[in-house]
Amino acid sequence: AQSVTQLGSHVSVSEGALVLLRCNYSSSVPPYLFWYVQYPNQGLQLLLKYTSAATLVKGINGFEAEFKKSETSFHLTKPSAHMSDAAEYFCAVRVSGNKLVFGAGTILRVKS
Amino acid sequence: IAGITQAPTSQILAAGRRMTLRCTQDMRHNAMYWYRQDLGLGLRLIHYSNTAGTTGKGEVPDGYSVSRANTDDFPLTLASAVPSQTSVYFCASSDSATSGEQFFGPGTRLTVL
Repeated sequence: AQSVTQLGSHVSVSEGALVLLRCNYSSSVPPYLFWYVQYPNQGLQLLLKYTSAATLVKGINGFEAEFKKSETSFHLTKPSAHMSDAAEYFCAVRVSGNKLVFGAGTILRVKS
Repeated sequence: IAGITQAPTSQILAAGRRMTLRCTQDMRHNAMYWYRQDLGLGLRLIHYSNTAGTTGKGEVPDGYSVSRANTDDFPLTLASAVPSQTSVYFCASSDSATSGEQFFGPGTRLTVL
């Protein structure tokens, strides 16, 4: 079965530091992969998606992710963290029937 | 209306009561979904509908039912609420002809006492 594992339920970085949120997937077919962000008391918003085109995907708010088939990974990065990046981030993989399977989420804290 | 709306925003409900969470989208997406979000578990799919008139069970369907009478609306019903259904519920929609990106509503926070 297809699944997603997010390593680290909480990540803390200093403002201006590199953000790295880890996501590994399990899929028997070429995957469609997504990163979503959730700010407090809001719904999920799409950050970026991988759909079998370029392996380096650029998203909103300066985030990007690289699809690495050999490592079955789709880690999310941002060169310099802002206070406004503090949120919960979810990785997801598309499965049969046009459904998404989500990871458990990673809460990003940005310290001033 | 722009995107997906959900109602109510929050609700406190006595155990055993019936409750319907409403979801409406104006994007003419064919597919709609209901998730529940619980701390440490991410989002889990309750039910989904790939097109009006059809529905399917997700990962955690027990105690919930849905209907899809038209493209825009996808209500979720708890026939007899139990405390374990205390959660935040999100509705989403997508155009299945594309990459499957889902658009989410703002959520309903439900507390069952």
